[in-house]
Amino acid sequence: AQTVTQSQPEMSVQEAETVTLSCTYDTSESDYYLFWYKQPPSRQMILVIRQEAYKQQNATENRFSVNFQKAAKSFSLKISDSQLGDAAMYFCAYFREYGNKLVFGAGTILRVKS
Amino acid sequence: NAGVTQTPKFQVLKTGQSMTLQCAQDMNHEYMSWYRQDPGMGLRLIHYSVGAGITDQGEVPNGYNVSRSTTEDFPLRLLSAAPSQTSVYFCASRRSDTPLGEQYFGPGTRLTVT
Repeated sequence: AQTVTQSQPEMSVQEAETVTLSCTYDTSESDYYLFWYKQPPSRQMILVIRQEAYKQQNATENRFSVNFQKAAKSFSLKISDSQLGDAAMYFCAYFREYGNKLVFGAGTILRVKS
Repeated sequence: NAGVTQTPKFQVLKTGQSMTLQCAQDMNHEYMSWYRQDPGMGLRLIHYSVGAGITDQGEVPNGYNVSRSTTEDFPLRLLSAAPSQTSVYFCASRRSDTPLGEQYFGPGTRLTVT
């Protein structure tokens, strides 16, 4: 069974600085997708960034980028120029087509200090 | 498009009561899923559907029933509520042909069972 581990229950970052959230996963499959979701206090799940496993190039979306290391099964999220609005719970998730299942990590609470 | 809508937003039940959480989407998505979110555990898949008339169990299906009579609606039924079902419930949908597996989430329903 696939598992996703987020080893940092909570992180803090100063406004305008950079922070990296860690995620590792376990799978025997070669074709899959990885996601980072943001959940602010409103509870809404917001897709931040996604990565296809077959692509070697790391995904980037504005201030958000990932470091995808397939062999190490690592998928970290880097947030540059952190803003107060980035404060939220962040979930790393693994997707496999069979079973239409997203497997989530336990989440990392990100606090942004002004 | 309203996207994925869920009702109610909050609900309190007594142990043994039954109820239905409603989920609807107006994007003509084939795939729909129900997840529950518990503290420290991320989201876990309860049931999912790949089209009208087709449903299957996810990771934590016990105590829940689903049906899919239309593409738009995917209700989740709690047969006899238990305190262990206190959680936040999310409905999600996606197209069957999207290559990236991106799921669209509803706003969630916070359920408390006393």
